[in-house]
Amino acid sequence: DVKVTQSSRYLVKRTGEKVFLECVQDMDHENMFWYRQDPGLGLRLIYFSYDVKMKEKGDIPEGYSVSREKKERFSLILESASTNQTSMYLCASSYLLGGWNEQFFGPGTRLTVL
Amino acid sequence: QKEVEQDPGPLSVPEGAIVSLNCTYSNSAFQYFMWYRQYSRKGPELLMYTYSSGNKEDGRFTAQVDKSSKYISLFIRDSQPSDSATYLCAMRSYSGAGSYQLTFGKGTKLSVIP
Repeated sequence: DVKVTQSSRYLVKRTGEKVFLECVQDMDHENMFWYRQDPGLGLRLIYFSYDVKMKEKGDIPEGYSVSREKKERFSLILESASTNQTSMYLCASSYLLGGWNEQFFGPGTRLTVL
Repeated sequence: QKEVEQDPGPLSVPEGAIVSLNCTYSNSAFQYFMWYRQYSRKGPELLMYTYSSGNKEDGRFTAQVDKSSKYISLFIRDSQPSDSATYLCAMRSYSGAGSYQLTFGKGTKLSVIP
């Protein structure tokens, strides 16, 4: 059974704090993704990575950075959290090539920035 | 014009009804089409996928693609309260970074009333 886990289900932080969201997958997937999901805006891609130490910007990378030091782990970093980063953050992983590249999602982290 | 348009609903139907969920798209590069289901407070999970124009059936679910009209649909027969969820369409294209990306619709929230 594919498992994508995220470090926290709920997180409350203050404006200006540095925030780390961690994601771990156990399927040896090459690709990993970070999305945020907001009512009325749907799922928006922040960053993705197709290999260790590789990263690509998604549609809304501003205010975020990522780190992928190991294949199974992909971290999203909010350098200085702001209230407009309050959102549901979803991590996903998939194989690089072949098949349908189905993305498997974690349960999400609901981040509130006060 | 957004690449993928999906009516967010909400859609409320009585148990046993036939449900029709739809997405339109503008990017001819989209090759593969998927439907994800997302229960409340969970990450999305793949429900169905299809490539060619036409219908694909899986139990009570039928996915339909019309590439000439750039229109995809998901039909749910004999809808059940357990089908209550948000349904997201997703479309795959090559990202140019050695990987594939999914572009998601905003999701349609469905409630099936007993």
